[in-house]
Formats: sequence, C-alpha cells, structure tokens
Amino acid sequence: SQTIHQWPATLVQPVGSPLSLECTVEGTSNPNLYWYRQAAGRGLQLLFYSVGIGQISSEVPQNLSASRPQDRQFILSSKKLLLSDSGFYLCAWSVGTDTQYFGPGTRLTVL
Amino acid sequence: GENVEQHPSTLSVQEGDSAVIKCTYSDSASNYFPWYKQELGKGPQLIIDIRSNVGEKKDQRIAVTLNKTAKHFSLHITETQPEDSAVYFCAAKNTGFQKLVFGTGTRLLVSP
Repeated sequence: SQTIHQWPATLVQPVGSPLSLECTVEGTSNPNLYWYRQAAGRGLQLLFYSVGIGQISSEVPQNLSASRPQDRQFILSSKKLLLSDSGFYLCAWSVGTDTQYFGPGTRLTVL
Repeated sequence: GENVEQHPSTLSVQEGDSAVIKCTYSDSASNYFPWYKQELGKGPQLIIDIRSNVGEKKDQRIAVTLNKTAKHFSLHITETQPEDSAVYFCAAKNTGFQKLVFGTGTRLLVSP
C-alpha cells in the first residue's frame, strides 16, 4: 500500500531564515505531487504541483519554491521566510486518477 | 476559474442526529467531487467522492448527492457519533486539470 511522509512535523523558524520541507511517497511510481498551505481555520490553497521529476507548476506567486529531485520526493523551500509564511503545509499525491491523498502535514511557525 | 462555496461553517448536532453539509461550485466542467475529513493537527482524509455521471453515492453512514444542473453537492452523515467531530472539506475538480479547489470547511461538533 502507498504511504506518504512529511518532515519535520513541526518547525519554528525566525523571519528571514531559510526553509526546507520534505515529502516522500512510498509504494507507487510516477505520482503527481502537490504542496498545499492551510492558514489557521481556513481552507487549503494549492501552492505547487508536479507531474514528473523536474516538472514544477506554480499556482500562487510567493516567497516559496518547490523542487522534485526524485520520482517520489517533493521539496518545498524558501530562501527567506516571512511572517505570512506561517501555516500548516500539506503534501498530497495522486496516481492515474483525480483522487488526492494527503500526508500528515508540517506545522510552520515563523516568529 | 473554479470557485467552491461551503455551508455552514459550523454545525452542532446531538449524537444520533443527521448532519448535512452543502457545497456549490461555479465551473460546469468540474466532474469530480471529493469530501475530506480533517481532525485537529492532522492531514485531510478522503471519506467519499462522487463523479458527475452519478447522482448519489453511499458508504455506510455517509452519503453524497450531486445536482449537476444546480451545480451543488452535499454530504449527509446519519446516526452521528462523537468521533465524527472534525472539519469537513468539499472540493471540485475538472479531470482535465490538476487543481483541486476546496471549500472553506465546516466544523462539525457532535455532542454526546
């Protein structure tokens, strides 16, 4: 069966520091991968998606970037964090269908 | 682009009652409609989904109905239990695109 991992689970970072969040999927090949952000008490906003290695599509212009160095690895990065980058970051995957499955999430607090 | 509205934002019911959450979508080309349950501090979990070629789908105490003409779909939970308490999100998607557009969520509280 497929599983999705995200780390770290929780992160507290100062404003202006860099960021790297990692997502990996097991048990499937060539998944579509997604990064979402969820602000406190709000819905989910799609940030990036990838249909293959090195292929990244951005949905919202912002302070973040994404990379896919391996088939089942998706990384969310920032060179300098802003206060507004705080939130719950969720990675999701899909294969061959519309259905997306979410990981456990990373809680990011920027101080 | 697609826009999904979800109501109510908060819903309180007594254990054993039914709960109904409604969503409307704007893009008539959307053809896939999932529902997710999110518990505090966790990622959303898919609980049921429906495609535009089906009007209703049921899985035990959970059912989803779709009205393509009116562009709305609803989640029905019967015989609610305290463990049903969570935030529920609806979403809509066009198979031709990657983007899943979410509603703003409904916080369901089931009191014993």
